[in-house]
Order: sequence, then C-alpha cells, then structure tokens
Amino acid sequence: AQSVAQPEDQVNVAEGNPLTVKCTYSVSGNPYLFWYVQYPNRGLQFLLKYITGDNLVKGSYGFEAEFNKSQTSFHLKKPSALVSDSALYFCAVREWDNYGQNFVFGPGTRLSVLP
Amino acid sequence: KAGVTQTPRYLIKTRGQQVTLSCSPISGHRSVSWYQQTPGQGLQFLFEYFSETQRNKGNFPGRFSGRQFSNSRSEMNVSTLELGDSALYLCASSFYRGQDTEAFFGQGTRLTVV
Repeated sequence: AQSVAQPEDQVNVAEGNPLTVKCTYSVSGNPYLFWYVQYPNRGLQFLLKYITGDNLVKGSYGFEAEFNKSQTSFHLKKPSALVSDSALYFCAVREWDNYGQNFVFGPGTRLSVLP
Repeated sequence: KAGVTQTPRYLIKTRGQQVTLSCSPISGHRSVSWYQQTPGQGLQFLFEYFSETQRNKGNFPGRFSGRQFSNSRSEMNVSTLELGDSALYLCASSFYRGQDTEAFFGQGTRLTVV
C-alpha cells in the first residue's frame, strides 16, 4: 500500500524567509506525487505534481518541490514566504490501476507565516 | 470555466436520518471522486466514479453510497447517520483517468450530525 508522511504538524516561518514543508513517501513502483493547499473553509487547491523528469518541480504561487528518490522525499519549498501562504498543506500520492484511482493524502502540515 | 460545485455547503442532520450531497464536476471532466475530511482521520477516500460506473471504493461501510449521472454529475448518500459522520465531504473531478492526473476539488459540504 502507498503511504505519505508529513513529519511536522505545524511549521512557523517569518514573512520573507524561505519555507519548507516536508513530505516522505512509501510506494511500490514509480511515485506520482502531488501537493495541495487548503485555506479555511475551502476545498483543496492543486499546487504542483511530480510525474517524471526534473527533480525540481515548479508550481503555482511561487511554490516548488524537490523530489529525492534516495531519501523518498518530496519537500515543498518557497524562497520567500508571504502571510497569505498561511494554510494547511497536503502531500499526496496517486494510486491508480485499471479499475480505479484515488489519492492517498498525508495528515497535513499547518503553515503559519508570521508578519 | 466554472470549477467543481458542491451543494449544499452546509447541512445539519439528526442521527438516524439520511443525507444526499451533490457534486457538479468541471465541464468535460468524467472522473469524480469523493473524500471525507475529519480532524481525527484526515482526508480519506470514499469512492470514484467514471462513466457512470463506480471504479474504486474506500474502506467505508455500506451506509455510504454514490452514483454518477450521464452528465458526470455525482451524488453521494449516507444513510442512518451517526455522530461520527460529521465531516467535510469533498468532491474532486479529473479530466481523465491516469496516475499523472491532478484533481480539482470543490469547496466541500460541511455535514454536522446531531
């Protein structure tokens, strides 16, 4: 079974500083990894995905993620955090076969960007 | 292009009742999935529909069911509601099926069972 771990429940960072939200995965076969963000009382918004190719993936709102196969990690990063980045972030792996598909989500990391 | 629309946004039901939630996917999207989000269990997969057929189901009791119509709109039903069914129910749609496909989520329906 596929699984995703987000080792930090909460990450605090000062505005303007770089941010990292950590994710590690356990999959059989090639990993298909995603990051989503959830703002209060909202659904999930897609940020970026890793399918294959470059280990550094660029996504929406200035976010990027670094895929590291040897460390089975897919950390989300941003060079300069904004207060508006404060939200709940989910890492996910895609499960897929000929019958069905779904995401397996990590528990989420709450990011607080302090002014 | 309109996003994924879920109705209603909020619901309050009594234990033992049943409830139906609705989801309209992004135009052209044929895969619709449902997830339950709770503080204790996080995001859990309920089921996926594609071309009016349930393709995949998560580990939920038979009280949870769903269907998809020919226009790709989907409904999920929960019968004999329990207090533990209180959650945010999220619907997601994808243009096609595949490991590389991202899904687009609606704002969710917040169900409170009292």
